[in-house]
Amino acid sequence: EDQVTQSPEALRLQEGESSSLNCSYTVSGLRGLFWYRQDPGKGPEFLFTLYSAGEEKEKERLKATLTKKESFLHITAPKPEDSATYLCAVFGSGNTGKLIFGQGTTLQVKP
Amino acid sequence: EPEVTQTPSHQVTQMGQEVILRCVPISNHLYFYWYRQILGQKVEFLVSFYNNEISEKSEIFDDQFSVERPDGSNFTLKIRSTKLEDSAMYFCASTGGTSSRNEQFFGPGTRLTVL
Repeated sequence: EDQVTQSPEALRLQEGESSSLNCSYTVSGLRGLFWYRQDPGKGPEFLFTLYSAGEEKEKERLKATLTKKESFLHITAPKPEDSATYLCAVFGSGNTGKLIFGQGTTLQVKP
Repeated sequence: EPEVTQTPSHQVTQMGQEVILRCVPISNHLYFYWYRQILGQKVEFLVSFYNNEISEKSEIFDDQFSVERPDGSNFTLKIRSTKLEDSAMYFCASTGGTSSRNEQFFGPGTRLTVL
């Protein structure tokens, strides 16, 4: 069964304190892994797509990497505005675009 | 920048009533989805829709649920007889291009409260 597990569930950082979020996945043939940001009461906001092991994507203070079993979202020198829940998702089996989401990591960055 | 829109933002209904949640996907997108998120839980897939028909549905999407694209812009989710456990945030998403394997863009959601 396709599964996505994220850790930690919650993370508190001081402003400027870099860290990484983990997303472990189990799928029969990865066809794409996605990172989204979700603010309270809002819809997921697309950040990155990764398709193959070794691939990396960057956007401002965020960098996503992918291996054959997991993905990391590295946050460098975070600011309070980076506080949000970060969701990882993979395509499920079949070719319909169904996304399987992890539980998310809630990040709080204190000034 | 194009975005997915959803109405209403919040819907309160009595158990057993029918509700229709509306979405306007990004205009040139071809693949449409509904997801839901119960408070404090994961985002869950409900249904995917392409070429005017359902391409996949989850176990959650039983006979009480239906989707429709009544015109060239709207995409709706209908729940015929709501239950307390249908209370959740419902998100519409769409993706463009000729493949379903592109990034999905989500709307802001409709918070459904069933009393």
